Amino acid sequence: AQSVSQHNHHVILSEAASLELGCNYSYGGTVNLFWYVQYPGQHLQLLLKYFSGDPLVKGIKGFEAEFIKSKFSFNLRKPSVQWSDTAEYFCAGWNNAGNMLTFGGGTRLMVKP
Amino acid sequence: EAGVAQSPRYKIIEKRQSVAFWCNPISGHATLYWYQQILGQGPKLLIQFQNNGVVDDSQLPKDRFSAERLKGVDSTLKIQPAKLEDSAVYLCASSLGTGRTYEQYFGPGTRLTVT
Repeated sequence: AQSVSQHNHHVILSEAASLELGCNYSYGGTVNLFWYVQYPGQHLQLLLKYFSGDPLVKGIKGFEAEFIKSKFSFNLRKPSVQWSDTAEYFCAGWNNAGNMLTFGGGTRLMVKP
Repeated sequence: EAGVAQSPRYKIIEKRQSVAFWCNPISGHATLYWYQQILGQGPKLLIQFQNNGVVDDSQLPKDRFSAERLKGVDSTLKIQPAKLEDSAVYLCASSLGTGRTYEQYFGPGTRLTVT
């Protein structure tokens, strides 16, 4: 079955630290991957997406993700986090068989000021 | 532009009771989705509508869950009777069309607690 997994459930960082959140997918064929973010008290919103082309994708608020096909990974990165990045981050993949988004379990990030 | 609206934001019911959630998508969005997000997990698609027709309801527990989008705009999701394991956040999302290239916009969700 096509699935997306996130290994880190909780991450705590200090401001200005670098961030890398792991995401792995389990399916082949056409791969379309997404990162969503949910800030406290707000709705889920799209951070960035990968469809094809340059495997390094840049999103909003200084986030980027790299698609590494050989590792089945799409990790989210930010060179220097801010307190306002405190949120829950979800990796998702487009499930070709079901024609739907399949989400990972999420990573809760806390940035200490 | 106005986002996806959902109501109520919170609901507490006892098991075996029924409950209904309402969603108003972004104006002009043909596709509407209902997701269930259990605590500690990512959202899971329950049902997808294209206008007023069902595109996919393969993950909807049809013995107790039902959903409709009669006029192709607003939608309601109903649970009858509720079980303890239905405690979750129910998210509504909408998009211009159906498929991987259409961004889904999410509402604030309805947090359901079944006691």
